[in-house]
Amino acid sequence: GAVVSQHPSWVICKSGTSVKIECRSLDFQATTMFWYRQFPKQSLMLMATSNEGSKATYEQGVEKDKFLINHASLTLSTLTVTSAHPEDSSFYICSALQGYTEAFFGQGTRLTVV
Amino acid sequence: GENVEQHPSTLSVQEGDSAVIKCTYSDSASNYFPWYKQELGKRPQLIIDIRSNVGEKKDQRIAVTLNKTAKHFSLHITETQPEDSAVYFCAASTPDMRFGAGTRLTVKP
Repeated sequence: GAVVSQHPSWVICKSGTSVKIECRSLDFQATTMFWYRQFPKQSLMLMATSNEGSKATYEQGVEKDKFLINHASLTLSTLTVTSAHPEDSSFYICSALQGYTEAFFGQGTRLTVV
Repeated sequence: GENVEQHPSTLSVQEGDSAVIKCTYSDSASNYFPWYKQELGKRPQLIIDIRSNVGEKKDQRIAVTLNKTAKHFSLHITETQPEDSAVYFCAASTPDMRFGAGTRLTVKP
């Protein structure tokens, strides 16, 4: 099946710094990418939907200025956690979609803010 | 790390029949097992989940069973309908979530 590569798989950063997470579709063009966050012992929470070339659509309660999403090309979407705080520590995962097809998940990124 | 295997990769059933999708996991520390349904062209959405302290959970026509000893869990859909046609993903959380490769279910009217 198609491959979605998410990088980094884990990152530790200091409070107040920004962290960028990349989601790449390696062998297909992803017109849509979804960014999820997983809270402890819970399912994934959709943060935003990004479409190539347009602004991301954020779910209610997600701060768009804090979680910057850029889908600049058909193979790359990035999530930047700005001014990270310990409460932003979580598991973030992306999912990529090529038109009317099945979605493919990245491996996820474990973010720890110290 | 955790490895989740999902079978079958494709499944075709007649409307009204039952469908079963099976997953196995490798990490005994996994404690949360959600199932996602993804209609083609849409985002995956949670349909049911089960925690490691429960053996079975049911929600109308869908049910999930968990066998911790054997490290496998299954999704059961009864009285299938054409609108059940989708891709289904299982996942295991350790706590980071790992997904199976997905099962494309087709329900023929």
